[in-house]
Amino acid sequence: LAKTTQPISMDSYEGQEVNITCSHNNIATNDYITWYQQFPSQGPRFIIQGYKTKVTNEVASLFIPADRKSSTLSLPRVSLSDTAVYYCLVVVRNDMRFGAGTRLTVKP
Amino acid sequence: EAQVTQNPRYLITVTGKKLTVTCSQNMNHEYMSWYRQDPGLGLRQIYYSMNVEVTDKGDVPEGYKVSRKEKRNFPLILESPSPNQTSLYFCASSRTPGSGNTEAFFGQGTRLTVV
Repeated sequence: LAKTTQPISMDSYEGQEVNITCSHNNIATNDYITWYQQFPSQGPRFIIQGYKTKVTNEVASLFIPADRKSSTLSLPRVSLSDTAVYYCLVVVRNDMRFGAGTRLTVKP
Repeated sequence: EAQVTQNPRYLITVTGKKLTVTCSQNMNHEYMSWYRQDPGLGLRQIYYSMNVEVTDKGDVPEGYKVSRKEKRNFPLILESPSPNQTSLYFCASSRTPGSGNTEAFFGQGTRLTVV
């Protein structure tokens, strides 16, 4: 079972780029890396998923190095509304277990 | 619209009174799961189901039951609720994890208080 480790909290300012790194040293060949965002009292919301190299969508980018033992979620030009908890998951066949996540606080 | 619907959103009950929280999804997903979220403890998985009639324990299954008689529904049953089951509960569904695009969709949450 791949375990993920990410910083407990991060602070940023509006307009900055934020990079949150997750380590998953025991990731297996078929595992995907997925990131979710959660606001207080709401269910997590899917942000992005990738297997290797780089994935980009309209809200974020996901960078995965060749060894796949870590991944970095990049949020460009954050705003106050990006204040939330961000979870990194390594998705295996029957496992959707969340870690503690990273609490991102965006300041004016 | 793709969605996961949980009911009720809020529930206050007394110790020992059986209750069911319903969960329904309209995306024909194989995988469904239940989580509870408590302050400082993140999301902890209670039970999951890979498909109809296939369920398995997550990290914190004690005191809970589930069933998956139909693909779209995955109710969470508390046979004899206790105060330590006071929590915020989320249901989720997705395609089979590990099968490629496995974006999970979450319900709105059920805030349960057991007194």
